[in-house]
Amino acid sequence: NAGVTQTPKFQVLKTGQSMTLQCAQDMNHEYMSWYRQDPGMGLRLIHYSVGAGITDQGEVPNGYNVSRSTTEDFPLRLLSAAPSQTSVYFCASSDTGQSYEQYFGPGTRLTVT
Amino acid sequence: GEDVEQSLFLSVREGDSSVINCTYTDSSSTYLYWYKQEPGAGLQLLTYIFSNMDMKQDQRLTVLLNKKDKHLSLRIADTQTGDSAIYFCAERNTGTASKLTFGTGTRLQVTL
Repeated sequence: NAGVTQTPKFQVLKTGQSMTLQCAQDMNHEYMSWYRQDPGMGLRLIHYSVGAGITDQGEVPNGYNVSRSTTEDFPLRLLSAAPSQTSVYFCASSDTGQSYEQYFGPGTRLTVT
Repeated sequence: GEDVEQSLFLSVREGDSSVINCTYTDSSSTYLYWYKQEPGAGLQLLTYIFSNMDMKQDQRLTVLLNKKDKHLSLRIADTQTGDSAIYFCAERNTGTASKLTFGTGTRLQVTL
């Protein structure tokens, strides 16, 4: 099992550009989430999905879109990048065991200039 | 809404015990978690506790939960330099399997 994989690891964008952060998991988890991590603010939930075809907004969804066409993949799209979106982005998937443990990917470090 | 708070920094000497504290506001929390993040890496689940428990021990780790005060702590016995990392507490409430609310993280520095 590769677990949760994210690409790219690093990305630099100019303001106004769009891009997609990729996330995939091979654990057959129904639940997947995207978080952003900023200094002194912990992790904040952007969007999440409880299964293929179902997505919902988290705490900070503005400027981001998601889709979930398959169980394995949960891409995050930045529509028009802004410097405020400079952050480290983590994708996570959850099992449906008792504890709903979340497994995190290694992260994508995004800089918007 | 939910809020989870932690102190930002803790420094301990190698071999001592570390205690990292966390407070939360959501009284309907069902599970509370401790995650560890090493530099440049993602988060790794260390341990978790169900809300009907007061304590959970796992090797060098002891989690204490005071549900009345909404206070969670993580004690690391015999702290080693490899324990240097950022530790996040997180809470989840009923029906929100995908949604964790994280604290700001506590940076643990272990000195020789």
